[in-house]
Amino acid sequence: AQKVTQAQTEISVVEKEDVTLDCVYETRDTTYYLFWYKQPPSGELVFLIRRNSFDEQNEISGRYSWNFQKSTSSFNFTITASQVVDSAVYFCALNSYNTDKLIFGTGTRLQVFP
Amino acid sequence: EAGVAQSPRYKIIEKRQSVAFWCNPISGHATLYWYQQILGQGPKLLIQFQNNGVVDDSQLPKDRFSAERLKGVDSTLKIQPAKLEDSAVYLCASSLPMGGDWDRTDTQYFGPGTRLTVL
Repeated sequence: AQKVTQAQTEISVVEKEDVTLDCVYETRDTTYYLFWYKQPPSGELVFLIRRNSFDEQNEISGRYSWNFQKSTSSFNFTITASQVVDSAVYFCALNSYNTDKLIFGTGTRLQVFP
Repeated sequence: EAGVAQSPRYKIIEKRQSVAFWCNPISGHATLYWYQQILGQGPKLLIQFQNNGVVDDSQLPKDRFSAERLKGVDSTLKIQPAKLEDSAVYLCASSLPMGGDWDRTDTQYFGPGTRLTVL
């Protein structure tokens, strides 16, 4: 079975704090892709990153970084020096090659206060 | 490059009425998806098109939901008749096949969604 768990329902931080959003996934497939999407109040899901199961290198993009660890089936997302504009719901998602469905977690609502 | 377009952005209807949503994918994207996102949950796939053919509609409630993509470009999703539990955001997404064949794990790009309220 494919499953994505985002245990943190809501996180509140003050601007400039670092924050990590957790994502744990389950799949029996060896070939799969992991994604993070941002959903601001406007409602559109904004693609942030796509990672395949054979590439465990961590990635950094500006204030965003992602830590992929197959040993713990986790794909965590860190925002450094958070800003008010980072306030949104963040979704982690999994697409296994054999399943061919994008499975989303329940999302983590991040609120960044000035 | 223009993103995925959807209309209307908001719709309020009475139960048992009909409603239709429209989606225009990113130019050149062969695969189109419709998702339902209930408040507090992640999106759930309703139907997936590859060009104008249906790839997966296993989670589409076919007694009341229908979708088409006649010319392989834009698509409409219809609900008839609507129920209270259909209140949700309906998201359209599209993806571009990598290489020559469709890669089922291609990145999906989403539109702004249509927020449906059924009273």
